[in-house]
Amino acid sequence: AQSVTQLGSHVSVSEGALVLLRCNYSSSVPPYLFWYVQYPNQGLQLLLKYTTGATLVKGINGFEAEFKKSETSFHLTKPSAHMSDAAEYFCAVIPSNFGNEKLTFGTGTRLTIIP
Amino acid sequence: GAVVSQHPSRVICKSGTSVKIECRSLDFQATTMFWYRQFPKKSLMLMATSNEGSKATYEQGVEKDKFLINHASLTLSTLTVTSAHPEDSSFYICSARDKERKQFFGPGTRLTVL
Repeated sequence: AQSVTQLGSHVSVSEGALVLLRCNYSSSVPPYLFWYVQYPNQGLQLLLKYTTGATLVKGINGFEAEFKKSETSFHLTKPSAHMSDAAEYFCAVIPSNFGNEKLTFGTGTRLTIIP
Repeated sequence: GAVVSQHPSRVICKSGTSVKIECRSLDFQATTMFWYRQFPKKSLMLMATSNEGSKATYEQGVEKDKFLINHASLTLSTLTVTSAHPEDSSFYICSARDKERKQFFGPGTRLTVL
């Protein structure tokens, strides 16, 4: 079984400031990890994913995340926030052996950008 | 990238009626599609897994007779909310998985039951 915990249901940062959204996971087998973004009344868009290889993954819109096995974390960062980054962000996990084919989502973090 | 569409994007219906939501993979074949429900300010809750040509697998607590899922082709799955009630009002999102096991999400359908 796997689970995802996103610390902080709401995060506010000033425009131009660092964005840090936290995600911790648990998985009985090595995980594949994902970050999705959701804009109001829209579906989910994949930001980035980690499967194998390099633990620092870069995604769209300047976001990146680092897989840290020792900390069971996959935090999402962006060096400089833009107003357009305001959205809901979801971290998700699926076991790499696909024994359970279902994506498990965290509860989401709403990112607000302060002008 | 792969595109998944949902129709309609918004629907308002009267209590007691049935509503059908379509999920289509536009440029790839999807042997598996997933249906999620998202409550306001909440995460996505997986309702069921839909496999082409077979019965859907429902998650615990999801009424299969109320939420009918049909996956008649490799590009189309439908979710029918039968005898809808106001508590069924929600945002329904589908996703489709390609042969490389990547999931692509549809834009969602906002259902409002009056």
